[in-house]
Amino acid sequence: QKEVEQNSGPLSVPEGAIASLNCTYSDRVSQSFFWYRQYSGKSPELIMSIYSNGDKEDGRFTAQLNKASQYVSLLIRDSQPSDSATYLCAVNRGYSTLTFGKGTMLLVSP
Amino acid sequence: DAGVIQSPRHEVTEMGQEVTLRCKPISGHDYLFWYRQTMMRGLELLIYFNNNVPIDDSGMPEDRFSAKMPNASFSTLKIQPSEPRDSAVYFCASSGQGYTTGELFFGEGSRLTVL
Repeated sequence: QKEVEQNSGPLSVPEGAIASLNCTYSDRVSQSFFWYRQYSGKSPELIMSIYSNGDKEDGRFTAQLNKASQYVSLLIRDSQPSDSATYLCAVNRGYSTLTFGKGTMLLVSP
Repeated sequence: DAGVIQSPRHEVTEMGQEVTLRCKPISGHDYLFWYRQTMMRGLELLIYFNNNVPIDDSGMPEDRFSAKMPNASFSTLKIQPSEPRDSAVYFCASSGQGYTTGELFFGEGSRLTVL
């Protein structure tokens, strides 16, 4: 079983809609969770982090965490064409390194 | 401030040749990571350093890969001999005391093609 799993997509949404990106992880001792955005041909950049169960909002982005279900999600409200990118879920088990999922490609059409 | 700087940006080489990728981390950052990204395997950690000391190299695929960090401002990843399956984008990333927040600062990457 892969440590961090994401649907590869592409997830296609119209401009202005809500995009919902999902991620599951296998290691129950995971403590912190992150969403990175990677534009085509570019490097990943951190956009959200979440450490406790529930929701965390930052502008148009909301991260949701459910440790019992080992599930993390990212909601993007009022999606814009500039949000079109690959979104990588990353998990930290509380020491050293991040483990990344393969990412979900999001396409926002005008 | 300058970000993480990697070179070369693109490298095309033939099987069996030696490849050296270079990285300059952000000044003051004491963690440095080498990742490899492919469509099939995603973003994989190869090795990371803390204060110039290699901490975990369990992700290095085999003995053909080696990494060094002779000082706080420079690191290399070497592949010798290179093989077609090494073709990938290699990212260097650094982080400071904020590492526990999960924020890694990535360079632009070095795209390696081995023919």
